Amino acid sequence: NAGVTQTPKFQVLKTGQSMTLQCAQDMNHNSMYWYRQDPGMGLRLIYYSASEGTTDKGEVPNGYNVSRLNKREFSLRLESAAPSQTSVYFCASSHRGKTQYFGPGTRLTVL
Amino acid sequence: AQSVAQPEDQVNVAEGNPLTVKCTYSVSGNPYLFWYVQYPNRGLQFLLKYITGDNLVKGSYGFEAEFNKSQTSFHLKKPSALVSDSALYFCPERQRNNNAGNMLTFGGGTRLMVKP
Repeated sequence: NAGVTQTPKFQVLKTGQSMTLQCAQDMNHNSMYWYRQDPGMGLRLIYYSASEGTTDKGEVPNGYNVSRLNKREFSLRLESAAPSQTSVYFCASSHRGKTQYFGPGTRLTVL
Repeated sequence: AQSVAQPEDQVNVAEGNPLTVKCTYSVSGNPYLFWYVQYPNRGLQFLLKYITGDNLVKGSYGFEAEFNKSQTSFHLKKPSALVSDSALYFCPERQRNNNAGNMLTFGGGTRLMVKP
């Protein structure tokens, strides 16, 4: 039981490049979330998926897209990366909106 | 509606001493209260939660929290701090969402520094 896994762990992009952050959970959770954490700040919700087939915007969705591929997987895509998207990205999952469990994070730098 | 506050940006404590990380709340209705910890360069880990039941909630790594309705507090405590407890602690704010159940909003947290 790996919990929530994220790939990659680290990534460096140039401005304008695109990439997809992958997240998977093996806890059979309905809900999944993407957050970003900037230095000295808490976590801010980018997008969430209440259940398979649904996605909704969070607090800071601009510049991102998401796909709930199936119940296990929830990906975050940056179509044209900007330096302001340099951050640590965390994926989380929960069962019917209860306790959230987090992945280890992806540290992204955009030059 | 529910809101929480962590009044301290940083707490310093000596190893072996008891530690307290504060969280206060205001809510109309029943509170859902959580504590999470983030160790350096790691994701957040769930420590404990209060929904109903006993006011003293025991969690992971020897931590506990006491739900105090009269003082509207949910402070995190540990009898004897370890250097390895040094981390960022979050008491997130919970909002109900019709689609996704509990939505959590994480503020800046409280940094706990345990010195040898």
